[in-house]
Amino acid sequence: KNQVEQSPQSLIILEGKNCTLQCNYTVSPFSNLRWYKQDTGRGPVSLTIMTFSENTKSNGRYTATLDADTKQSSLHITASQLSDSASYICVVSAGAGFQKLVFGTGTRLLVSP
Amino acid sequence: DAGVIQSPRHEVTEMGQEVTLRCKPISGHDYLFWYRQTMMRGLELLIYFNNNVPIDDSGMPEDRFSAKMPNASFSTLKIQPSEPRDSAVYFCASSLQGPNEQFFGPGTRLTVL
Repeated sequence: KNQVEQSPQSLIILEGKNCTLQCNYTVSPFSNLRWYKQDTGRGPVSLTIMTFSENTKSNGRYTATLDADTKQSSLHITASQLSDSASYICVVSAGAGFQKLVFGTGTRLLVSP
Repeated sequence: DAGVIQSPRHEVTEMGQEVTLRCKPISGHDYLFWYRQTMMRGLELLIYFNNNVPIDDSGMPEDRFSAKMPNASFSTLKIQPSEPRDSAVYFCASSLQGPNEQFFGPGTRLTVL
């Protein structure tokens, strides 16, 4: 069964600290993996997308990694800011069609002053 | 561009009533998606359209749910009759082509009493 599991479910860190969010997937065939940021009360916004051949991609203070062999991805946030408080959702595409998108349930991050 | 527009932002209704959610995609986008998000299940794809034609509605939970896209700039998701378990945030998203970046609307928070 295609699944995406994220950990931790929630996380509290102090402003300025770094953190890493994890995404493990059992999706086949793998097409791509995307990380979304969802602010409270708003729709998700794409942060990064990685295909099978990519193992790292950055977007400002966000860096995503992908290990296709172990089927793991991580999202590293550097020098966290209060505005990073949000849910982060990992989405894996199992193929070319939209119906094959498999969503994780997200990690809720709170950056505390 | 104003982005994806959804209305209403909040809807509270009583069980058994008909609910209609509305979406205006980003101009020029030829894919439109309806999602449902709950704490327990995360984001779920309900249905998507390409060039106003429904492509896959396998995510629609029951016959009580229906979606239409009469033209390129408007879509509705209707629930009739509504039930308390339909309470969730419903997102509309649009994209240009292929399984590329989807742009989400702000969502409609539905509460069925």
